[in-house]
Amino acid sequence: GAVVSQHPSWVICKSGTSVKIECRSLDFQATTMFWYRQFPKQSLMLMATSNEGSKATYEQGVEKDKFLINHASLTLSTLTVTSAHPEDSSFYICSAQKPGLAAGELFFGEGSRLTVL
Amino acid sequence: AQSVAQPEDQVNVAEGNPLTVKCTYSVSGNPYLFWYVQYPNRGLQFLLKYITGDNLVKGSYGFEAEFNKSQTSFHLKKPSALVSDSALYFCAVRPGGANNLFFGTGTRLTVIP
Repeated sequence: GAVVSQHPSWVICKSGTSVKIECRSLDFQATTMFWYRQFPKQSLMLMATSNEGSKATYEQGVEKDKFLINHASLTLSTLTVTSAHPEDSSFYICSAQKPGLAAGELFFGEGSRLTVL
Repeated sequence: AQSVAQPEDQVNVAEGNPLTVKCTYSVSGNPYLFWYVQYPNRGLQFLLKYITGDNLVKGSYGFEAEFNKSQTSFHLKKPSALVSDSALYFCAVRPGGANNLFFGTGTRLTVIP
């Protein structure tokens, strides 16, 4: 099956710093990637849709200046949490859509756990 | 509004017994329906999908799900549960014409040896 790699798998940072999370599709090109946030014992909340070569589409209520998304190549999307605060602590998961498969059959990264002190 | 409901936060079943994890949905158009499984501190893994055709779909690890249009349900089933099936299961739906998924709140399945 297709592989999506996320890095780092966990990160601890101080309040006020910025953190970058990478999402890579290792064996296919993904024109579309999705970023989710998952709170403990809750479902995945779609944050934004990352489109290669264009601006990301953010879901309602998600601050685009807070969560910067860049999809510079067909295999890499990055999520940068700027000026992180403790309430940004969460599990962030990316997914990628493999061309040729039914839309919605996504391949997920392993997730990145962010802890802001 | 689009929504996916998993009415049970927790399902416990004895090893070897059949299991069912429930999912109902409310979306526009003809939806694509999915089940994903999540192990602790991991991403989601695809189990199965319904796009069209036979209402009973078979997926990975012996799981299957039945699409019921009249009841707008897509329950996940397995005839004989394994301890290794213990995980968090998410139902997801892609509304007709949309590109993203809406997830249910998840059901934690515990298979008791």
